Amino acid sequence: DGGITQSPKYLFRKEGQNVTLSCEQNLNHDAMYWYRQDPGQGLRLIYYSQIVNDFQKGDIAEGYSVSREKKESFPLTVTSAQKNPTAFYLCATSDRAYNEQFFGPGTRLTVL
Amino acid sequence: QQPVQSPQAVILREGEDAVINCSSSKALYSVHWYRQKHGEAPVFLMILLKGGEQKGHEKISASFNEKKQQSSLYLTASQLSYSGTYFCGTVNTNAGKSTFGDGTTLTVKP
Repeated sequence: DGGITQSPKYLFRKEGQNVTLSCEQNLNHDAMYWYRQDPGQGLRLIYYSQIVNDFQKGDIAEGYSVSREKKESFPLTVTSAQKNPTAFYLCATSDRAYNEQFFGPGTRLTVL
Repeated sequence: QQPVQSPQAVILREGEDAVINCSSSKALYSVHWYRQKHGEAPVFLMILLKGGEQKGHEKISASFNEKKQQSSLYLTASQLSYSGTYFCGTVNTNAGKSTFGDGTTLTVKP
């Protein structure tokens, strides 16, 4: 099956701990994105990558880090520097930067 | 710059039509439309590209006015399944990042 996998679906962490969210795709898409969504709000871009070994900051990159060592994988680390990390995190891919995006099922992160 | 969507919310009866608008302050290369059900990921509906190309859902249509930097999504003969939050995403250049509006919540009642 072609698609985007995000794991885990729900994640709980203690305040002050770093946590890494997984995003894997087998669509052979070049571009990958991470978004944050708070309740009742829109999608805010954290980081994006248009090619392997390259990525750019989005609108709310502070407190987050990413890597793009493989085309299929774009993990997101939420660091202790992120002041309010509890949110719904969505990974997306597209074959070209201007084309439509396909979203993974998301990870709900709760920091206690 | 985030695109502006209007209206913020709309309530319809089954069979009624709705229009959702998306406006940008910058020139647009492409506009995407998505629908998100509560607790789920957004699902792609329609893309409109500079120059007139478009592709997407069979039962949903959209327009793209490049000069006015605006796009509209037309939902005709609405069904209960159309309920959800609709987002427009805009890309300013062929290599640019995407920016999403705050969404329009559509509720279709029997």
